[in-house]
Amino acid sequence: ILNVEQSPQSLHVQEGDSTNFTCSFPSSNFYALHWYRWETAKSPEALFVMTLNGDEKKKGRISATLNTKEGYSYLYIKGSQPEDSATYLCAFPDAGNNRKLIWGLGTSLAVNP
Amino acid sequence: NAGVTQTPKFRILKIGQSMTLQCTQDMNHNYMYWYRQDPGMGLKLIYYSVGAGITDKGEVPNGYNVSRSTTEDFPLRLELAAPSQTSVYFCASSYGGSGVNQPQHFGDGTRLSIL
Repeated sequence: ILNVEQSPQSLHVQEGDSTNFTCSFPSSNFYALHWYRWETAKSPEALFVMTLNGDEKKKGRISATLNTKEGYSYLYIKGSQPEDSATYLCAFPDAGNNRKLIWGLGTSLAVNP
Repeated sequence: NAGVTQTPKFRILKIGQSMTLQCTQDMNHNYMYWYRQDPGMGLKLIYYSVGAGITDKGEVPNGYNVSRSTTEDFPLRLELAAPSQTSVYFCASSYGGSGVNQPQHFGDGTRLSIL
């Protein structure tokens, strides 16, 4: 099992700021990269599943890019709102068994009004 | 559309007791998972299943058992509960082919305390 790393661990921004964070993963034997949003006291909610190098996906003010050759994905939030406050997790299928996900520890985002 | 339903939402157990956490999904997903979430530790996979009758261990299977007799249900059993099993447990499901290239859908979680 190889690790997925997320940075920064936590982030505080003001309402209206745009922000981004990183997910790093092993670039060999790439299968897919998942992003999830996890609000406090709730359960993780899928944002994106990305499979192709150069992929860019968007959902409202949130977008993500993927570079499988160098092993990283960026998540961007444009014009952050207080309701964006959550932990953002990335995960990728275990290279030895791609039926299960290896999860990062997440980036905790707090948006101050 | 109910999605993934977990019961109970909260439970307090005494050391040595047993219980079953229930999980059912109505999306006809073939893949199902049990995770536990401990503070600062992220999501840890306990067991998973890629179809009825097929289960396999995750990262932290000790002290737990699962079964998958139907596509819809994936119960998690704790035998001889220990304080180290105090955690929040999440069940998830997804479509799966040769791997996890579809999003996982999570239940609301079961908060379990062992005293």
